[in-house]
Parts: sequence; structure tokens; C-alpha cells
Amino acid sequence: SSELTQDPAVSVALGQSVRITCQGDSLRGYYATWYQQKPGQAPVLVIYGQNNRPSGIPDRFSGSSSGNTASLTITGAQAEDEADYYCNSRDSSGHPLVFGGGTKLTVL
Amino acid sequence: QVQLQESGPGLVKPSQTLSLTCTVSGGSISSGGYYWTWIRQHPGKGLEWIGNIYHSGSTYYSSSLKSRVAISVDTSKNQFSLKLTSVTAEDTAVYYCARDVRGFATAYFDYWGQGALVTVSS
Repeated sequence: SSELTQDPAVSVALGQSVRITCQGDSLRGYYATWYQQKPGQAPVLVIYGQNNRPSGIPDRFSGSSSGNTASLTITGAQAEDEADYYCNSRDSSGHPLVFGGGTKLTVL
Repeated sequence: QVQLQESGPGLVKPSQTLSLTCTVSGGSISSGGYYWTWIRQHPGKGLEWIGNIYHSGSTYYSSSLKSRVAISVDTSKNQFSLKLTSVTAEDTAVYYCARDVRGFATAYFDYWGQGALVTVSS
């Protein structure tokens, strides 16, 4: 099926690590891509491919995958990491048309 | 640095056609290698992929919107456009254009426009 499932909300204490997960059948064949979106702003690419960060994305962001589950880990969360995070992947069509419902990350 | 900018009416009447254009700067659509994509976000909701187009004009659309969507490209103006017909209030959303990069077992949107809020209301 072409669906990606994310927990609606996750919280983390400042400076601690947090894992945001994404589940879906498409992830058995394709890597997840992760986007960060802050209020009133366009999404920003944070992780793509096996575990690649675009220029400008801090190295505290990392990605991993196992079976049908992909994870975005923030090691040492900062206040500025508070945002919505969306996963995305290609589906059987080959196009990246599947988004997860998003996870709202709160940094306490 | 590639930049994308959406433009078009911010208010559309029900049953009419929503039209948006994305102007690309800092890179040429005609050079190929990328898919040019429209994504929308309903107020307070998640991201919804609408469809994409390649520089050749080849398109692919969301199955849920396919009957109402058309995406076109004008390489001479370095623009691509979205038309969504027969709109209702449910089409009220922020519409983003984005560049889609393909890699091994992956695809990602590396550049996004700032988004254009389109409200459907009489």
C-alpha cells in the first residue's frame, strides 16, 4: 500500500536525543526522505538517501532504516529543532508521492 | 542557487479553475534531470503531493486529483504551471512548487517555493 505512518507528536528534553519514525511498505524498497517544517515556512530537506544531509543541516540529524521502518534521529535536540517533521518516499510508480502525516516535535 | 517562486490568484470562486505558475531561477528546466512538482498543504494539515512534470512535458498525477489536474511547462520562460478545475472549499490550501531529484532508491525535493495560499470562496 502507498501509505506512510508517523506518530502525531513526540517530545524531547533540551539536549536529549529523539527518534521520529515512519512506517510503510514502500520503505522496504525505497529510502525515506525527511523534511522539517516550521510554522509559516516551506518544508526544508533534512535527510535523503541512505543517510545524507544537505549542506547547512547540522550533523545532529541522522537517518536510518530497517525493514518497513525509517527513523530520523536528532542527537542533542536544540530549541530550534521544534517543528513538524514529514517523511516521504517513492511508491510503486517510482514517484515520491507518499507523505507521512507528520510528527510535531516539541523540545521541552 | 536555485530558487522557485509561485504566483497566481490568491482567491478563486467555487467551480472555477485554480491556476498557479512556478518560476524557476538559478537553473534551467530544459537542462533535464529533475522532475518539477506541485505539493499542497491544507490549513493545519500535512503535505499532499499533486503531480509532477519533466522537461519533456511528461506528467504524472495523484490518483485522487487526476481528473481535475493539469501541469504544463514553458521552458522558454523557465516556468511550470498548475491548473486545478472545478475547485471547492476543500481545495483551499497553500500550494508549493518544488524540484524533485532522483537517486538510487530515493527521490527528494531539494528546493521549494515559499508557498502560495489559495482560498476558494465566493
